[in-house]
Amino acid sequence: DGGITQSPKYLFRKEGQNVTLSCEQNLNHDAMYWYRQDPGQGLRLIYYSQIVNDFQKGDIAEGYSVSREKKESFPLTVTSAQKNPTAFYLCASSLRLTGPNTEAFFGQGTRLTVV
Amino acid sequence: KNQVEQSPQSLIILEGKNCTLQCNYTVSPFSNLRWYKQDTGRGPVSLTIMTFSENTKSNGRYTATLDADTKQSSLHITASQLSDSASYICVVRGDSNYQLIWGAGTKLIIKP
Repeated sequence: DGGITQSPKYLFRKEGQNVTLSCEQNLNHDAMYWYRQDPGQGLRLIYYSQIVNDFQKGDIAEGYSVSREKKESFPLTVTSAQKNPTAFYLCASSLRLTGPNTEAFFGQGTRLTVV
Repeated sequence: KNQVEQSPQSLIILEGKNCTLQCNYTVSPFSNLRWYKQDTGRGPVSLTIMTFSENTKSNGRYTATLDADTKQSSLHITASQLSDSASYICVVRGDSNYQLIWGAGTKLIIKP
């Protein structure tokens, strides 16, 4: 059963805590992405990775960190420096980064709430 | 500034009726435009992709149109079903490899 798996589905964070969101894919895709979705807004790119051991900042990288030690995994850490972390986080992957018709496939999302 | 604007923000229609969702963009240069369906609390799923040279593309009861001159796209849903209740998001790819400009989506509710 191929696809992208995000966990957990719901996550609660206390003020000042770091939390890590998991994203695993078995599609053999090179490129992976993290997006943030807020009500009434379009998805915003946090980080993306074109290949193992390489990643680049997106439009709203401040307060977040990622790693890409394995092709299948692209975890996102929401640090205490992120002042407004409550949001729906989506992980995606695509066969490669380049190409006009490259399609991204999304996970089911993690809803993070600060308590 | 590259932007994607969708209208209406939300729409309620009766089951079996047709509807049309709009997408206007200012992204330039333009590479392609996708429509995604996103069920509540789930990730988006691609419905269709349109390139500069394509005017119309269908996927079952979904038909997308593109007018690259006026920078407008529409998604027409025929004979709506309860399962069509979702947010529909328009996404435009610009000139850089990763750059996707996402619209805020139209929330569609189908009532029995």
